[in-house]
This record gives sequence, structure tokens and C-alpha cells, in this order.
Amino acid sequence: QKEVEQNSGPLSVPEGAIASLNCTYSDRVSQSFFWYRQYSGKSPELIMSIYSNGDKEDGRFTAQLNKASQYVSLLIRDSQPSDSATYLCAVTTTSGASKIIFGSGTRLSIRP
Amino acid sequence: GAVVSQHPSRVICKSGTSVKIECRSLDFQATTMFWYRQFPKQSLMLMATSNEGSKATYEQGVEKDKFLINHASLTLSTLTVTSAHPEDSSFYICSEKGRGQMNTEAFFGQGTRLTVV
Repeated sequence: QKEVEQNSGPLSVPEGAIASLNCTYSDRVSQSFFWYRQYSGKSPELIMSIYSNGDKEDGRFTAQLNKASQYVSLLIRDSQPSDSATYLCAVTTTSGASKIIFGSGTRLSIRP
Repeated sequence: GAVVSQHPSRVICKSGTSVKIECRSLDFQATTMFWYRQFPKQSLMLMATSNEGSKATYEQGVEKDKFLINHASLTLSTLTVTSAHPEDSSFYICSEKGRGQMNTEAFFGQGTRLTVV
């Protein structure tokens, strides 16, 4: 079992709709959870961090965390063509030197 | 603005030569930095953890003598690909970690596209 699992996609969503990206993780001691966006040929960009159960909203993005079920999700409202990218889920423990474990990413395509 | 500066963004080198990639943490003292490699349409692969003032920790299967890492200061880590071969052609990305609410947020450099001919 992979430590962080994501559906590779591609996930195709019409412009203006809600895109829903999901991620599960295996290590129960994980404390920090992240979503990164990576455009083709570019490095990952941090878009959301979440540390406690529940929802965290930032603009059109909402991250959801459920530690009991070991999943974290990202909702993108009012999807735009510029949201088309690969979204990487990542988790880590609280140790500053610990590794960040990345999922393999979900490719999202927003169709006009 | 960028919090991690990585240079060069692109480099083409001849087979057998060495290439050095620099990663600078801006306005943050990063005791730990990470180096990743990413092949086309694949996920990030952690190569090594760079520790300021001590030896880097390499992931299984990564040759430490081929990928030399130096982290001499709190703001600079370098990766040198020695005796490069075409199969080393890839996208190399560094990151620093330690920002944010729980000091666990990681930010990436712009990446270096290495092509070995």
C-alpha cells in the first residue's frame, strides 16, 4: 500500500463546476497535510495547508481533513481553465526534519 | 514572491561532465532542504535530505557519489551531478521545509531542467 494515494486521473470538469480531488494516507501519526498544484514543466506550488479535522477555505479552494478516516480532499469551486494542472497531496509528521510524503498526483482538466 | 531560488533553470551538458545546481532559501534559515527528481509525467522522487553542517541523507537507490550534496550554510544547498549521462536527464527540484503554522510547510525552487547530450 502506498503511503499517500491519489487517483491519477485525468479528472475532467466543466468550467464553472466544482472539482473534487481526494487523497488517502496510511500513517496515522501524520499531522500536517498539504495540497500542491503543479503546472506542466513547473515546480509544485503550495496552495493549501490543513492541520485539524474539518474544512479550511481559502478563496475558491476548500481543503477537508478527516483524520479518523485518513483522508484529505480539495474542492475547487467555480473551476477555471487556469486550474488545469496536476494536484499533489502531501503529508508529514510534526518533526521539522521529517520527509514530506507526496502522492503521485491527480491530473485535472477544466474544459471550457 | 519566490521563497526558494534555484539556479540554473535549464542546463545542457555533455556526457561525462559535472553540473552544479544551487538552491537558496530566501529570508529563512533552512537547516533541512530536500532534493527531488521528476521524470516526465511521473511524480516527485525524493533523492536526498540535505542537512546544514552535516552529511546528506540519501534515499535508497540514489548514488551518493554521483549526486553530491553540500549544505554549508543555512541558506544554500547545492547538488552536483557528477559524470552525467543521458539517463540523468530530468527535472531536479529542491525544497526547504519549516515554515508555516507547524513549521512543516515546504516551498519549492523553480526547478532545473537538465539535459545530458
